[in-house]
Amino acid sequence: QSALTQPASVSGSPGQSITITCTGTSSDIGYYNYVSWYRHHPGKAPELIIYDVTDRPSGVPDRFSGSKSGNTASLTISGLQAEDEADYYCSAYSSTTTLYVFGFGTRVTVL
Amino acid sequence: EVQVVESGGGLVQPGRSLRLSCEVSGFPFDEYAMHWVRQAPGKGLEWVSSITWRSGRIDYADSVKGRFTISRDNAKNSLYLQMNSLRPEDTAVYYCVKDISRFGELPPSHAMDVWGQGTTVTVSS
Repeated sequence: QSALTQPASVSGSPGQSITITCTGTSSDIGYYNYVSWYRHHPGKAPELIIYDVTDRPSGVPDRFSGSKSGNTASLTISGLQAEDEADYYCSAYSSTTTLYVFGFGTRVTVL
Repeated sequence: EVQVVESGGGLVQPGRSLRLSCEVSGFPFDEYAMHWVRQAPGKGLEWVSSITWRSGRIDYADSVKGRFTISRDNAKNSLYLQMNSLRPEDTAVYYCVKDISRFGELPPSHAMDVWGQGTTVTVSS
């Protein structure tokens, strides 16, 4: 069982905004700002889209934004596009023996 | 172009061993920590192991500690995962992943920024 809790699915129409939440504990999301988000099209390599809670790697459009409040991190996708239909995973550094914890994943569907 | 290519997966019986390899190109391999992450069928991602750029620090998930060994050969731009005493629950797609921080000392990792397409390991009799 993954340590971070994400909704199983989120959907939206093209152009809309959606938000995916990721809830952890005071040992991971709540304590450190090492939260990252990954987009995974099945059968392909996962892609990093957000790191250190809010930062975007070079080449990732600013439609993707991250935030954190307490033990919960969030990923917002604005101007939803067909290519955004994928699985999204959050991850965080943890002070437990499981150094890096992941969420179970959220399937984003573009209606 | 940055590339990460895993190999070595396959079908193996419980209790046997398997060695995964990962060959990288397009970036200075010897300047970055590396990770192995896996995804069991129908499950989420699970961190397996990490190794710093000079192999000075190695970490394992509790689920594989004592059975798996991570290593790297910077001269060959290659990362390895020796998996012994394999169990059915080790069945997964295994991803080789580059750390985002140049000369970063782990832990913590800020993020894992380049992933391979994975190699499938199936442990079954």
